[in-house]
Amino acid sequence: GESVGLHLPTLSVQEGDNSIINCAYSNSASDYFIWYKQESGKGPQFIIDIRSNMDKRQGQRVTVLLNKTVKHLSLQIAATQPGDSAVYFCAEKREGDNTDKLIFGTGTRLQVFP
Amino acid sequence: GAVVSQHPSRVICKSGTSVKIECRSLDFQATTMFWYRQFPKQSLMLMATSNEGSKATYEQGVEKDKFLINHASLTLSTLTVTSAHPEDSSFYICSASPIDNQPQHFGDGTRLSIL
Repeated sequence: GESVGLHLPTLSVQEGDNSIINCAYSNSASDYFIWYKQESGKGPQFIIDIRSNMDKRQGQRVTVLLNKTVKHLSLQIAATQPGDSAVYFCAEKREGDNTDKLIFGTGTRLQVFP
Repeated sequence: GAVVSQHPSRVICKSGTSVKIECRSLDFQATTMFWYRQFPKQSLMLMATSNEGSKATYEQGVEKDKFLINHASLTLSTLTVTSAHPEDSSFYICSASPIDNQPQHFGDGTRLSIL
Protein backbone atom coordinates (compact mmCIF):
# COMPACT_ATOMS: atom_id res chain seq x y z
CA GLY A 1 0.00 0.00 0.00
CA GLU A 2 0.92 3.69 0.04
CA SER A 3 2.31 5.66 2.92
CA VAL A 4 3.04 9.35 3.24
CA GLY A 5 5.16 10.82 5.97
CA LEU A 6 8.55 12.35 6.48
CA HIS A 7 9.94 10.27 3.66
CA LEU A 8 8.97 9.84 0.05
CA PRO A 9 5.57 8.20 -0.43
CA THR A 10 6.21 4.51 -0.91
CA LEU A 11 4.29 1.95 -2.91
CA SER A 12 5.06 -1.66 -2.12
CA VAL A 13 3.95 -4.31 -4.59
CA GLN A 14 4.57 -7.97 -5.10
CA GLU A 15 6.53 -9.09 -8.12
CA GLY A 16 4.18 -9.81 -10.98
CA ASP A 17 1.43 -7.49 -9.77
CA ASN A 18 0.48 -4.28 -11.52
CA SER A 19 1.60 -0.95 -10.04
CA ILE A 20 -0.19 2.36 -10.22
CA ILE A 21 1.69 5.51 -9.30
CA ASN A 22 -0.26 8.74 -9.06
CA CYS A 23 0.65 12.36 -9.49
CA ALA A 24 -1.29 15.60 -9.14
CA TYR A 25 -0.12 18.60 -11.09
CA SER A 26 -0.86 22.20 -10.37
CA ASN A 27 -0.89 24.21 -13.57
CA SER A 28 -3.90 23.78 -15.83
CA ALA A 29 -1.88 25.43 -18.61
CA SER A 30 0.72 22.64 -18.62
CA ASP A 31 0.56 20.82 -21.91
CA TYR A 32 3.24 18.15 -21.72
CA PHE A 33 3.90 15.56 -19.04
CA ILE A 34 6.69 13.07 -18.52
CA TRP A 35 7.31 10.18 -16.17
CA TYR A 36 10.88 9.57 -15.06
CA LYS A 37 12.44 6.70 -13.15
CA GLN A 38 15.37 7.43 -10.85
CA GLU A 39 17.54 4.70 -9.43
CA SER A 40 19.75 5.35 -6.44
CA GLY A 41 22.71 7.58 -7.25
CA LYS A 42 21.68 8.14 -10.84
CA GLY A 43 19.93 10.77 -12.87
CA PRO A 44 16.28 10.43 -13.93
CA GLN A 45 15.59 8.14 -16.85
CA PHE A 46 12.78 8.87 -19.32
CA ILE A 47 9.94 6.34 -19.23
CA ILE A 48 7.00 7.77 -21.14
CA ASP A 49 5.42 11.09 -22.01
CA ILE A 50 1.99 12.40 -22.93
CA ARG A 51 0.65 15.62 -24.36
CA SER A 52 -2.47 17.37 -23.19
CA ASN A 53 -4.40 16.48 -26.34
CA MET A 54 -4.33 12.83 -25.26
CA ASP A 55 -5.70 11.04 -22.21
CA LYS A 56 -3.85 7.75 -22.54
CA ARG A 57 -0.60 6.53 -23.97
CA GLN A 58 0.92 3.08 -23.85
CA GLY A 59 4.48 1.90 -23.96
CA GLN A 60 6.17 -1.36 -23.22
CA ARG A 61 4.61 -2.56 -19.93
CA VAL A 62 3.76 1.05 -19.03
CA THR A 63 0.67 3.17 -19.53
CA VAL A 64 0.20 6.82 -18.68
CA LEU A 65 -3.25 8.24 -18.05
CA LEU A 66 -3.99 11.95 -18.02
CA ASN A 67 -7.12 13.46 -16.48
CA LYS A 68 -7.04 17.17 -17.21
CA THR A 69 -10.32 17.80 -15.42
CA VAL A 70 -8.83 16.99 -12.04
CA LYS A 71 -5.21 17.63 -13.05
CA HIS A 72 -4.15 14.08 -12.35
CA LEU A 73 -1.58 11.86 -13.98
CA SER A 74 -0.93 8.18 -13.35
CA LEU A 75 1.67 5.64 -14.39
CA GLN A 76 0.67 2.02 -14.62
CA ILE A 77 3.34 -0.65 -14.72
CA ALA A 78 2.21 -4.11 -15.74
CA ALA A 79 3.75 -7.25 -14.27
CA THR A 80 6.06 -5.31 -11.97
CA GLN A 81 9.59 -6.67 -11.74
CA PRO A 82 12.36 -6.22 -9.15
CA GLY A 83 14.20 -4.03 -11.64
CA ASP A 84 11.30 -1.58 -11.51
CA SER A 85 12.21 -0.68 -7.94
CA ALA A 86 13.14 3.01 -8.00
CA VAL A 87 11.74 6.46 -7.35
CA TYR A 88 9.28 7.67 -9.96
CA PHE A 89 8.70 11.32 -10.72
CA CYS A 90 6.11 13.00 -12.85
CA ALA A 91 7.12 16.26 -14.48
CA GLU A 92 5.02 18.94 -16.15
CA LYS A 93 6.13 21.40 -18.73
CA ARG A 94 5.40 25.05 -18.32
CA GLU A 95 6.21 27.78 -20.73
CA GLY A 96 9.38 29.57 -19.64
CA ASP A 97 10.85 32.87 -20.65
CA ASN A 98 12.67 31.67 -23.72
CA THR A 99 12.44 27.95 -23.35
CA ASP A 100 10.28 25.35 -21.70
CA LYS A 101 11.25 24.07 -18.28
CA LEU A 102 10.09 21.05 -16.34
CA ILE A 103 8.57 21.12 -12.88
CA PHE A 104 8.95 17.87 -10.99
CA GLY A 105 6.48 16.29 -8.61
CA THR A 106 7.44 15.02 -5.17
CA GLY A 107 8.14 11.46 -6.29
CA THR A 108 7.01 7.99 -5.24
CA ARG A 109 9.28 5.17 -4.21
CA LEU A 110 8.28 1.83 -5.71
CA GLN A 111 9.41 -1.22 -3.80
CA VAL A 112 8.95 -4.62 -5.41
CA PHE A 113 9.16 -7.66 -3.17
CA PRO A 114 9.24 -11.33 -4.22
CA GLY B 1 21.04 8.43 -28.68
CA ALA B 2 20.57 11.63 -26.63
CA VAL B 3 23.25 10.91 -24.06
CA VAL B 4 24.11 13.50 -21.45
CA SER B 5 27.33 13.13 -19.49
CA GLN B 6 28.32 14.80 -16.23
CA HIS B 7 31.73 15.10 -14.67
CA PRO B 8 32.82 14.57 -11.99
CA SER B 9 30.39 12.08 -10.52
CA ARG B 10 31.50 12.82 -6.99
CA VAL B 11 33.37 15.66 -5.30
CA ILE B 12 34.47 15.95 -1.70
CA CYS B 13 36.18 19.17 -0.75
CA LYS B 14 36.78 21.65 2.04
CA SER B 15 34.53 24.56 2.85
CA GLY B 16 35.44 27.66 0.85
CA THR B 17 36.50 25.75 -2.24
CA SER B 18 34.96 26.47 -5.62
CA VAL B 19 33.82 23.44 -7.56
CA LYS B 20 33.14 23.17 -11.28
CA ILE B 21 30.75 20.59 -12.71
CA GLU B 22 30.61 19.86 -16.43
CA CYS B 23 27.60 18.76 -18.42
CA ARG B 24 28.05 17.53 -21.97
CA SER B 25 25.64 16.40 -24.63
CA LEU B 26 27.54 13.60 -26.34
CA ASP B 27 25.59 12.96 -29.51
CA PHE B 28 23.50 16.06 -30.04
CA GLN B 29 23.70 19.80 -29.80
CA ALA B 30 21.81 21.62 -27.08
CA THR B 31 21.16 25.33 -27.13
CA THR B 32 19.53 24.92 -23.74
CA MET B 33 20.61 22.88 -20.76
CA PHE B 34 19.07 22.75 -17.31
CA TRP B 35 20.66 22.49 -13.87
CA TYR B 36 18.85 20.87 -10.96
CA ARG B 37 19.64 20.26 -7.32
CA GLN B 38 18.28 17.32 -5.36
CA PHE B 39 18.51 16.86 -1.60
CA PRO B 40 18.11 13.38 -0.08
CA LYS B 41 14.63 11.92 -0.35
CA GLN B 42 13.42 15.00 -2.19
CA SER B 43 12.49 15.90 -5.72
CA LEU B 44 14.55 17.69 -8.31
CA MET B 45 14.48 21.46 -8.01
CA LEU B 46 15.32 23.49 -11.09
CA MET B 47 18.11 25.94 -10.35
CA ALA B 48 18.68 27.57 -13.69
CA THR B 49 18.31 27.34 -17.43
CA SER B 50 21.61 27.52 -19.27
CA ASN B 51 21.45 29.22 -22.66
CA GLU B 52 24.25 28.88 -25.20
CA GLY B 53 25.76 32.22 -25.99
CA SER B 54 23.76 34.19 -23.44
CA LYS B 55 23.21 34.55 -19.72
CA ALA B 56 21.59 31.82 -17.71
CA THR B 57 18.09 32.25 -16.35
CA TYR B 58 17.97 31.55 -12.63
CA GLU B 59 14.99 30.37 -10.63
CA GLN B 60 13.73 32.44 -7.75
CA GLY B 61 15.89 32.05 -4.68
CA VAL B 62 18.96 30.77 -6.52
CA GLU B 63 21.97 33.06 -6.14
CA LYS B 64 23.50 33.69 -9.53
CA ASP B 65 26.77 34.86 -8.00
CA LYS B 66 26.97 31.65 -5.99
CA PHE B 67 26.14 29.29 -8.83
CA LEU B 68 27.94 30.45 -11.94
CA ILE B 69 26.76 28.94 -15.19
CA ASN B 70 28.62 29.06 -18.47
CA HIS B 71 27.30 27.58 -21.70
CA ALA B 72 30.26 28.06 -23.97
CA SER B 73 29.30 25.69 -26.75
CA LEU B 74 26.35 23.72 -28.04
CA THR B 75 27.59 20.61 -26.22
CA LEU B 76 28.94 21.93 -22.93
CA SER B 77 27.53 23.76 -19.93
CA THR B 78 29.37 24.21 -16.65
CA LEU B 79 28.10 24.95 -13.16
CA THR B 80 30.57 26.43 -10.70
CA VAL B 81 29.64 26.44 -7.04
CA THR B 82 31.70 29.29 -5.66
CA SER B 83 33.04 29.30 -2.10
CA ALA B 84 31.06 26.18 -1.30
CA HIS B 85 29.82 25.56 2.23
CA PRO B 86 28.37 22.45 3.87
CA GLU B 87 24.82 23.58 3.10
CA ASP B 88 25.69 23.41 -0.61
CA SER B 89 26.22 19.67 -0.29
CA SER B 90 23.71 18.06 -2.61
CA PHE B 91 23.18 16.04 -5.78
CA TYR B 92 23.49 18.30 -8.83
CA ILE B 93 21.99 17.06 -12.08
CA CYS B 94 21.94 18.53 -15.56
CA SER B 95 19.67 17.82 -18.48
CA ALA B 96 19.27 18.72 -22.11
CA SER B 97 16.84 18.10 -24.92
CA PRO B 98 17.96 17.43 -28.48
CA ILE B 99 14.86 19.08 -29.89
CA ASP B 100 12.37 21.51 -28.41
CA ASN B 101 9.24 19.89 -27.05
CA GLN B 102 11.01 16.58 -26.68
CA PRO B 103 11.89 14.89 -23.36
CA GLN B 104 14.88 16.15 -21.45
CA HIS B 105 17.65 13.63 -21.00
CA PHE B 106 19.57 13.69 -17.75
CA GLY B 107 23.14 13.18 -16.75
CA ASP B 108 23.94 10.81 -13.90
CA GLY B 109 24.48 13.66 -11.48
CA THR B 110 27.32 14.94 -9.34
CA ARG B 111 27.35 14.22 -5.62
CA LEU B 112 28.91 17.26 -3.95
CA SER B 113 30.02 16.93 -0.34
CA ILE B 114 31.49 19.96 1.42
CA LEU B 115 33.33 19.25 4.64
